[in-house]
Amino acid sequence: GIQVEQSPPDLILQEGANSTLRCNFSDSVNNLQWFHQNPWGQLINLFYIPSGTKQNGRLSATTVATERYSLLYISSSQTTDSGVYFCAVTGDMRFGAGTRLTVKP
Amino acid sequence: GAVVSQHPSWVICKSGTSVKIECRSLDFQATTMFWYRQFPKQSLMLMATSNEGSKATYEQGVEKDKFLINHASLTLSTLTVTSAHPEDSSFYICSAIGTGGNEQFFGPGTRLTVL
Repeated sequence: GIQVEQSPPDLILQEGANSTLRCNFSDSVNNLQWFHQNPWGQLINLFYIPSGTKQNGRLSATTVATERYSLLYISSSQTTDSGVYFCAVTGDMRFGAGTRLTVKP
Repeated sequence: GAVVSQHPSWVICKSGTSVKIECRSLDFQATTMFWYRQFPKQSLMLMATSNEGSKATYEQGVEKDKFLINHASLTLSTLTVTSAHPEDSSFYICSAIGTGGNEQFFGPGTRLTVL
């Protein structure tokens, strides 16, 4: 099946810093989503982005389907951004291992 | 929109008992629902896919007789963990895809502890 790899596995930032999270996948995909899992376990949809670029406030995402990767950008990070960020190839229901983000005040 | 609920949010049970977890799409009809399992500090692992009115499709290694899934309507799917054992303790999360859509929406999860 399709492999989904995320990097970095862990990321520690100072409040206000910017970051880029990466998701590589091993085969063509029709569906890709980014999620934020908060400390209570709830998965929050960030982007449905099989291709192209989308922006929502301080977050934006880009998927280059032909090169099999997607990027999630977080600008001006806040402590509430802390948690685990997952990308998932939702057509195959395959999740990456996640990036654990800690934003320090 | 696109809200998915789960009930209960947490449950503690004795070994050998059965536990039922409900997953509901509150404001849309879900043709397909998914059940995941997540161990601490790990990613989500798909257990099974259920379509309304048909039998669930289980992932390799998931015991269908132990994890019974029923997708009785377009807004409700249930997961029953039968004869639960401590190793079944985990965080169970459901998700749903609406009619004609591709985006998954997740429930808040159910934390199961088997004593």
